[in-house]
Amino acid sequence: GAGVSQSPRYKVAKRGQDVALRCDPISGHVSLFWYQQALGQGPEFLTYFQNEAQLDKSGLPSDRFFAERPEGSVSTLKIQRTQQEDSAVYLCASSLDLHTQYFGPGTRLTVL
Amino acid sequence: DAKTTQPTSMDCAEGRAANLPCNHSTISGNEYVYWYRQIHSQGPQYIIHGLKNNETNEMASLIITEDRKSSTLILPHATLRDTAVYYCIVRVVAGGSYIPTFGRGTSLIVHP
Repeated sequence: GAGVSQSPRYKVAKRGQDVALRCDPISGHVSLFWYQQALGQGPEFLTYFQNEAQLDKSGLPSDRFFAERPEGSVSTLKIQRTQQEDSAVYLCASSLDLHTQYFGPGTRLTVL
Repeated sequence: DAKTTQPTSMDCAEGRAANLPCNHSTISGNEYVYWYRQIHSQGPQYIIHGLKNNETNEMASLIITEDRKSSTLILPHATLRDTAVYYCIVRVVAGGSYIPTFGRGTSLIVHP
């Protein structure tokens, strides 16, 4: 079946612009995760949803980062007033069981 | 969460077994060992996990030492497509799921 999809795959933003990144999880997956991956580093946790409830947002680096999953399916990660240090690949993962996460291809954000 | 130590890079000949080590000397009794890999420009891919016993699936085998302070991921017949960064993660399952801490992983290069 279809895996996790993310859009756009690439996004270029000017510093100060707002961006919205979309994640379509695998159908029926209750858990959804967002990660940020800087060049040459492993993914770092941002936030976690179980259905529509955001259970953990401890990894969000600032209040410019906001995530939502209003109907417990599609999720959007929004970054306001983007800065150069926000340039990274943003990964989304969904999970049905306790152990296995399925990752999307990521959105590469470049802030100029 | 227990921290992990992995070699920065390894190489392996195609068709041979690739043995990727991971040290997790401070692992707790309720922490699982997970392995993911990330092929260039893709999202991470789940490989295998275990608690105490050795595990095997269609992708790999996981050997956990009796004291659980280290583990080895074995790819029995490495192919060029196994070239990737391999992440060893130890984490407790809490709140209905777990949130992995990836670190920098081991870059495995499989050569002809």
